[in-house]
Amino acid sequence: DVKVTQSSRYLVKRTGEKVFLECVQDMDHENMFWYRQDPGLGLRLIYFSYDVKMKEKGDIPEGYSVSREKKERFSLILESASTNQTSMYLCASSSGRLGETQYFGPGTRLLVL
Amino acid sequence: AQSVTQPDIHITVSEGASLELRCNYSYGATPYLFWYVQSPGQGLQLLLKYFSGDTLVQGIKGFEAEFKRSQSSFNLRKPSVHWSDAAEYFCAVITGGGNKLTFGTGTQLKVEL
Repeated sequence: DVKVTQSSRYLVKRTGEKVFLECVQDMDHENMFWYRQDPGLGLRLIYFSYDVKMKEKGDIPEGYSVSREKKERFSLILESASTNQTSMYLCASSSGRLGETQYFGPGTRLLVL
Repeated sequence: AQSVTQPDIHITVSEGASLELRCNYSYGATPYLFWYVQSPGQGLQLLLKYFSGDTLVQGIKGFEAEFKRSQSSFNLRKPSVHWSDAAEYFCAVITGGGNKLTFGTGTQLKVEL
């Protein structure tokens, strides 16, 4: 079974703090993704990565950055957290073949005060 | 731009009744379509996917979906709903390289006992 793990299920941070969300997958997948999920908006793609050290902006990259130094790990960074970044963050991974399933982690619910 | 529309935000059905969740897509070529389910507090789990071939696709947990090109639809169905099916359901389409997905806004299913 594919396993995607996220470092925290719940996180509370202060405005202006630097926040790191970590995601690890154990299936040697090439592709990794970060989404945020908000009620009524579904999932929106923040960033994705095709390979180590490769990254592409998604639909809502503003205020976020990412890092992929190892194939199995993809980090989402909030350089200076703001209250409008309070959300559920979901990580996913997939193999590089077209049409392959994305496998999701359990999510991190982030509250920025 | 490619998009997915789920017109129903909330649906309530009685246990044992049939279910149909609607999904319409906007995409020029043959789409790669997915249905995911999210149970409360969990990540997303794949129910089924369609690439080509037989337009009726069988998935897990007794779900099926039918691709109708003429209607640009990929509706999810289940003949008899169980209380454990209460969850949020997302339709998605591949819209870019690296299996980039665009999600609908989701349909929240409530099951009455």
